[in-house]
Amino acid sequence: GDSVTQMEGPVTLSEEAFLTINCTYTATGYPSLFWYVQYPGEGLQLLLKATKADDKGSNKGFEATYRKETTSFHLEKGSVQVSDSAVYFCALSFSGNTGKLIFGQGTTLQVKP
Amino acid sequence: NAGVTQTPKFQVLKTGQSMTLQCAQDMNHNSMYWYRQDPGMGLRLIYYSASEGTTDKGEVPNGYNVSRLNKREFSLRLESAAPSQTSVYFCASTFREESPLHFGNGTRLTVT
Repeated sequence: GDSVTQMEGPVTLSEEAFLTINCTYTATGYPSLFWYVQYPGEGLQLLLKATKADDKGSNKGFEATYRKETTSFHLEKGSVQVSDSAVYFCALSFSGNTGKLIFGQGTTLQVKP
Repeated sequence: NAGVTQTPKFQVLKTGQSMTLQCAQDMNHNSMYWYRQDPGMGLRLIYYSASEGTTDKGEVPNGYNVSRLNKREFSLRLESAAPSQTSVYFCASTFREESPLHFGNGTRLTVT
């Protein structure tokens, strides 16, 4: 079946370090791909998305490129801040109902001053 | 702007008890969803309602029922709670199929 796999966490970085969180997917067909972020005590918020191969989603300094050949959608940021500490979820859905998301297990990011 | 509001925020139940989790959105969204979040498993879809008057099963519907009371409200009911239903429950909504989901802040449920 369709699934999303993320790198194990937690990821601990110093402020201004480079961030990569790996995400790969298995899907029959051509899904849309998403990164959601969950800050402590809150619900998830959409961070960025890409709807077709080679699309790059970006928001708040975060980027991810939809790579069909490697079935990946890795999240990157050039310089993390303490305020980026959160849980990051990679997810996919298919056209027709983008609310029916298949999530990865989540990766906790902790950024230290 | 309230967005998606879930009540209660926390709940402890004994095995076999019943309860209803409430969700309301004030964004005039058409579609609403219930997810559960468990450690190491991400979020999994329980039920959804694509539009007022319709409901459908998601990935993990067993042990739950839902009601789309009106366009604003979508409730999740546990008829006979089990320890396996200990989880954080999130309600979400969206206006149309290409729009992002808006999540509530969750209900943390513990079943002893």
